[in-house]
Amino acid sequence: DSGVTQTPKHLITATGQRVTLRCSPRSGDLSVYWYQQSLDQGLQFLIQYYNGEERAKGNILERFSAQQFPDLHSELNLSSLELGDSALYFCASSADRDHGYTFGSGTRLTVV
Amino acid sequence: GENVEQHPSTLSVQEGDSAVIKCTYSDSASNYFPWYKQELGKGPQLIIDIRSNVGEKKDQRIAVTLNKTAKHFSLHITETQPEDSAVYFCAASPTSGGSYIPTFGRGTSLIVHP
Repeated sequence: DSGVTQTPKHLITATGQRVTLRCSPRSGDLSVYWYQQSLDQGLQFLIQYYNGEERAKGNILERFSAQQFPDLHSELNLSSLELGDSALYFCASSADRDHGYTFGSGTRLTVV
Repeated sequence: GENVEQHPSTLSVQEGDSAVIKCTYSDSASNYFPWYKQELGKGPQLIIDIRSNVGEKKDQRIAVTLNKTAKHFSLHITETQPEDSAVYFCAASPTSGGSYIPTFGRGTSLIVHP
């Protein structure tokens, strides 16, 4: 157990639908990062939150949004889902900018 | 922005051999270089990291070297074991300035044959 908890582990949904992925960071970590991992794209950075505020944005589609709550857990919302959104979605947390990440075990999203 | 190239994409070795994975980066502002190991069905796990004020770092069978002048860094695994089989990712990030989000390499699939 890495200390970063992601739910659900698996999600199967239809095109056009909306899903919410949840992440609880490691205790004490204020930063939460979301990554998308697909076979041909590697680890793609989506968005970062620090203590409730958006800190950095990567290649995140407009159909996707995220937030971090006062208890520091974060949610990634994916809407108007397309087949190409099928991927592993990882959440990671870190203590500071020059520390490595602790990744969760991921959510495997399958859009059918 | 930063660009990280990682080679090889696949590495097959016999148990007991050494394995070397190499990465190059483009942004001279990068000064933190972590390596992650991702086993099947799991998230990436930080295994070792190095900062720009250090040229080499070792942790048991794993070592990382950094050449800031040439902008490349490498992961060395000695006496490989079947449990070392996984995908390894390098990354590079600045730790000052506006964005310090690391850029990841595309990954190296290491296969250790018993």
